[in-house]
Parts: sequence; structure tokens; C-alpha cells
Amino acid sequence: EPEVTQTPSHQVTQMGQEVILRCVPISNHLYFYWYRQILGQKVEFLVSFYNNEISEKSEIFDDQFSVERPDGSNFTLKIRSTKLEDSAMYFCASSERGDLDPGYTFGSGTRLTVV
Amino acid sequence: DQQVKQNSPSLSVQEGRISILNCDYTNSMFDYFLWYKKYPAEGPTFLISISSIKDKNEDGRFTVFLNKSAKHLSLHIVPSQPGDSAVYFCAASAPTSGTYKYIFGTGTRLKVLA
Repeated sequence: EPEVTQTPSHQVTQMGQEVILRCVPISNHLYFYWYRQILGQKVEFLVSFYNNEISEKSEIFDDQFSVERPDGSNFTLKIRSTKLEDSAMYFCASSERGDLDPGYTFGSGTRLTVV
Repeated sequence: DQQVKQNSPSLSVQEGRISILNCDYTNSMFDYFLWYKKYPAEGPTFLISISSIKDKNEDGRFTVFLNKSAKHLSLHIVPSQPGDSAVYFCAASAPTSGTYKYIFGTGTRLKVLA
């Protein structure tokens, strides 16, 4: 069964450093998403991406965050200067059609720990 | 702003019995609801969905009920199996700019006892 692949599974970084979280969506999917889950809290929407541009972003997704699809397969989330409160599980998701799909396919997540 | 609420953080059920997970929402613009299941160290997995034009959707052992007037939905699992032990998230969506952004509840941890 097709999967969304995320790397690395766990990343530890110093506060203030830049991190790039990588995702390989399912190959025929056109809509891409990042969500995060702070430990013990709910899964929160960060950003959606379609046709090489951001479709929607949440208030969490401030200027420190950016997304990119650098080639035909990868979808990345960059955090420019990490803060302690950025520590969370980050989930990438993709869907074939943004408005008709019943649900996304999520990756297994990257645990980001900012120290 | 908790638009989607799951008020029970945990639930324990005996194997073979019915599990009922509840979810309440506040935004009347939501028109699509989903349940996701999550195992430790894995991403959420889509389970079942329901559109606001329906009040029930069934898929095998899983049934989702939607009560629009009460802004309430529930997931019934019958019979419950030990492999159903996981965290269940309710999620809701309103169509925006052609893509579905989901608002998740905080989850309910289901434990099915053998």
C-alpha cells in the first residue's frame, strides 16, 4: 500500500538552529499538508500546499516556517530558528484530491526535540 | 479555541463489547467529519468519515453517527477487539480554498481488555 515517508524519525537540535523536515508524499497525490502534535495535545494544522504554492496556513505557521517542493517527490518543512516550543511530532500528509478525498494519508511523523 | 472536543481522554472496554467514542463540535460550518486511529510511533490512520448530509455511516465494525442539531458525533466499534486499542481522534472540516483542512480533537485513548 502506498505510504507517505518522513525522515528523519527523530531530530534533536539546539535552540536557534535551522531544521528541515523531509517528506515523500504518495506519488500521484497533488495536495500536501503539515500538521504537528505537541506532546499531550491535539494534532494541529500548519499548512496546506498545492500547485507549488501555499493554499492555507494557520497562525502557528509564522515567518519562521517555510515549505518547499524542491523536486517532483520531496516536500519539506523548514524551521529557520527553532524555539523550545517547536518541540513536537510533525506529520506530513498528502491527498489525491483536496476537495473530494475522505481523508489524508499521514506519514509516521518526525519527532523534533529542541534543546 | 476548541472547535472540536473529545471530553473523554480515555476509555476501557471489554473485548467483544461495544466501544462508543464521542466528539462535540462548535462550528456549524463543518460539513465533513472523520475519525482517525493512531498507534504509538505512527501517524494517524483514516478510519471512517461522514458528510453532514448523512446521519450515519457504517463500515464493518465501525459506525459513525452524526447529530447535527446537537453538534455531536460518535464512533461505535462493535465488537471491540484488543487490536482496536489506540488513540482515536475526531476531526472536522469546512471547505476552504479547495483543500480540506482538518481540525482535530484532543483524542480518546481506547483500551480493549482481553
